[in-house]
Amino acid sequence: LAKTTQPISMDSYEGQEVNITCSHNNIATNDYITWYQQFPSQGPRFIIQGYKTKVTNEVASLFIPADRKSSTLSLPRVSLSDTAVYYCLVGDGGSNYQLIWGAGTKLIIKP
Amino acid sequence: DVKVTQSSRYLVKRTGEKVFLECVQDMDHENMFWYRQDPGLGLRLIYFSYDVKMKEKGDIPEGYSVSREKKERFSLILESASTNQTSMYLCASSLIRRGGTEAFFGQGTRLTVV
Repeated sequence: LAKTTQPISMDSYEGQEVNITCSHNNIATNDYITWYQQFPSQGPRFIIQGYKTKVTNEVASLFIPADRKSSTLSLPRVSLSDTAVYYCLVGDGGSNYQLIWGAGTKLIIKP
Repeated sequence: DVKVTQSSRYLVKRTGEKVFLECVQDMDHENMFWYRQDPGLGLRLIYFSYDVKMKEKGDIPEGYSVSREKKERFSLILESASTNQTSMYLCASSLIRRGGTEAFFGQGTRLTVV
């Protein structure tokens, strides 16, 4: 199972773009990259998922280079409510699909 | 709206008690998971199940067991609760689908063992 590495914490300010990078050197051919957001005392919530190049939805963008050994979650114009822990996971969703979670990145947005 | 429901939000139990944590999902998902989350440690997988009556150990199964008699329900059992099992417990479900999948989480059960 591919392991992921992310920064432990990051700070930014309201209105800024925030980029969080995740390293997954052992990603397998069939693995997808998925990011989740977690607020205190709540379960994680899906943000975005991709396989290669770039994926964008109403919340975030996900950039994946050609070698797929890393990925970058981009949050445009963050607000105070984006303060949360962000997790990067890799997996293929098939049978025996295990969600293996790293420590995540604690993002703090300041006014 | 998709939903994973955990039976209790907060629970206080005594050392040695048998504790049942229930989780129900309404999305007809094959996979179900139980995690515990402790400060600074992230989510750690206790058990998961990919079908009715099937179960697989995760990273920290010791002191726990699970039951999946119906597709929508996945129960976590603490056979004899101990204080080191005080934690936030999170249930999740997902489809078995190649090409990536999204997991849905319940709100969590904060268990305190005294």
